[in-house]
Amino acid sequence: EDQVTQSPEALRLQEGESSSLNCSYTVSGLRGLFWYRQDPGKGPEFLFTLYSAGEEKEKERLKATLTKKESFLHITAPKPEDSATYLCAVLRSYKLIFGSGTRLLVRP
Amino acid sequence: DAGVIQSPRHEVTEMGQEVTLRCKPISGHDYLFWYRQTMMRGLELLIYFNNNVPIDDSGMPEDRFSAKMPNASFSTLKIQPSEPRDSAVYFCASSPGTSGVNEQFFGPGTRLTVL
Repeated sequence: EDQVTQSPEALRLQEGESSSLNCSYTVSGLRGLFWYRQDPGKGPEFLFTLYSAGEEKEKERLKATLTKKESFLHITAPKPEDSATYLCAVLRSYKLIFGSGTRLLVRP
Repeated sequence: DAGVIQSPRHEVTEMGQEVTLRCKPISGHDYLFWYRQTMMRGLELLIYFNNNVPIDDSGMPEDRFSAKMPNASFSTLKIQPSEPRDSAVYFCASSPGTSGVNEQFFGPGTRLTVL
């Protein structure tokens, strides 16, 4: 059965304190791994798509990496505005299977 | 582009009443998805359409739930009769669906409360 597990459930960082979020997955025939950001009261906002092991993508303070079993979202020198829930999802056919998310709080 | 539009943004109703949620996808997107998000179960796919045709409704929880897409710019999700356990945030998303994989763009959601 396809499964996506994210850790930690919640993470508190001081502004400027770098860290990583983990997304481990089991899926037959991975077609893509997606990272989304969700702010309270809003829909998920697309960040990255990764297609194959070894691939990396960057956007501002965020960098996503992918291996055959997991993906990491690295946050470098975060700012309070990076506070949000970060969701990981794997694509099977056109169906996204989401993890439960990591709630990130960055304190000034 | 206005993005995916959903209405209403909030809906409060009483158990047994019919609820209709509406979605306007991004113009030109061939795929439309309905999701439900709860604290307990996270974000779950209910049903998705390709070119207005329902492709996979295996996530629809019960016969009380139904979805339609009469044209490329409009879809509805209906719950009849509604129950308190249907309380959740319902998201609509659309995707261009061209060759390969594509990201899905989510609307702001409808927060449904069934009393």
